[in-house]
Amino acid sequence: GAVVSQHPSRVICKSGTSVKIECRSLDFQATTMFWYRQFPKQSLMLMATSNEGSKATYEQGVEKDKFLINHASLTLSTLTVTSAHPEDSSFYICSAREPQGSRTEAFFGQGTRLTVV
Amino acid sequence: AQSVAQPEDQVNVAEGNPLTVKCTYSVSGNPYLFWYVQYPNRGLQFLLKYITGDNLVKGSYGFEAEFNKSQTSFHLKKPSALVSDSALYFCAVRSDTGGFKTIFGAGTRLFVKA
Repeated sequence: GAVVSQHPSRVICKSGTSVKIECRSLDFQATTMFWYRQFPKQSLMLMATSNEGSKATYEQGVEKDKFLINHASLTLSTLTVTSAHPEDSSFYICSAREPQGSRTEAFFGQGTRLTVV
Repeated sequence: AQSVAQPEDQVNVAEGNPLTVKCTYSVSGNPYLFWYVQYPNRGLQFLLKYITGDNLVKGSYGFEAEFNKSQTSFHLKKPSALVSDSALYFCAVRSDTGGFKTIFGAGTRLFVKA
């Protein structure tokens, strides 16, 4: 299947700092990428839909000023957690879908474990 | 609105026995249905999907799932479980009319005992 790479896999940061997470589609172009958040022993919560060249679409209840999403190219979307707090500690996962073709499933990055201390 | 229900938080099965992980869905339009598996501290791996055609879908690692339109279900099955199948399984749905947004169930943890 298509490959989506997420970096870093783990990050620890201090409260008040910002953290950037990258999501790359390695062997296909992704006009749309998705960012999810997963709490321990819970499902994935869709945070936002990232569209190449335009503003991201955020789900209800997600602070757009706190979770900045940039999709500057067809292979890269970034999520920046600004002024991080301990409650932002979570597992963040991105996914991407090929814009055309027969594969309708999304492909996922390996996730980023964010710990804010 | 789209929704997915996985009624079991956990499923326990002995190695070699058949396994079933349940999933029901609600969607406007026709459903695209998916199963993913997640190992600890990892992203999701795609197992199989139903888009159209045969109701019985075969996927990776010997897994299969049966689409039942009248019961709005898409249960995941495997004839003979392996210890290595122990993981967290997610059912997901997307509508053929609702763009690319995919909704996930709460997940079912599968434990396979040797």
